[in-house]
Amino acid sequence: QSVLTQPPSVSAAPGQKVTISCSGSSSNIGNNDVSWYQQLPETAPQLLIYGNDKRPSGIPDRFSGSKSGTSATLGITGLQTGDEADYYCGTWDSSLHYVFGTGTKVTVL
Amino acid sequence: EVQLLESGGGLVQPGGSLRLSCAASGFAFSSYAMSWVRQAPGKGLEWVSAITGSGGSTYYADSVKGRFTISRDNSKNTLFLQMNSLRGEDTAVYYCADSSAWFYWGQGTLVTVSS
Repeated sequence: QSVLTQPPSVSAAPGQKVTISCSGSSSNIGNNDVSWYQQLPETAPQLLIYGNDKRPSGIPDRFSGSKSGTSATLGITGLQTGDEADYYCGTWDSSLHYVFGTGTKVTVL
Repeated sequence: EVQLLESGGGLVQPGGSLRLSCAASGFAFSSYAMSWVRQAPGKGLEWVSAITGSGGSTYYADSVKGRFTISRDNSKNTLFLQMNSLRGEDTAVYYCADSSAWFYWGQGTLVTVSS
């Protein structure tokens, strides 16, 4: 059972913006950097955001991340059909276990 | 080009054992902590285990502690997961990934525990 809570699904029309929340606690998000992962259908997860708000090379700036206290947020602007995927937040916790969020399915209407 | 290639998955009976391997290439393997992450059919991601670059420290999820053992052979750039006393709930796709940055992921190998 995940300790990081995300909404099960979000949706928007092409070109619009969506945000995905990730709620944790002081033992995980509150004291560690958050990463975000995109998992396209039938593929392995891919790192989207690391260090709360940094994008790896090759990730478009339509994707952004932020963190405040014990919560983090992923934003996707200019939504495209290719963005339809499952998105997960993740971070280390105080017991040196890595925890993933419950996952959010993004649907482009 | 960085590659992580898992192997060793398959069908095993409850109570059985399986050893997964993850062959790494294209990066300084021994400098990276590595993890195993699994995903049950239709479910989310679950971290399973991690090991430091030297192999000197290991960490396990409560769900597998005492049954799974993570190890690595830096001379062969290979990560392992020995899985014993397997249960139906261990059925999943198992991914290896670099847990220093979580940038590199393998394509996964399917483990099915069923009689």
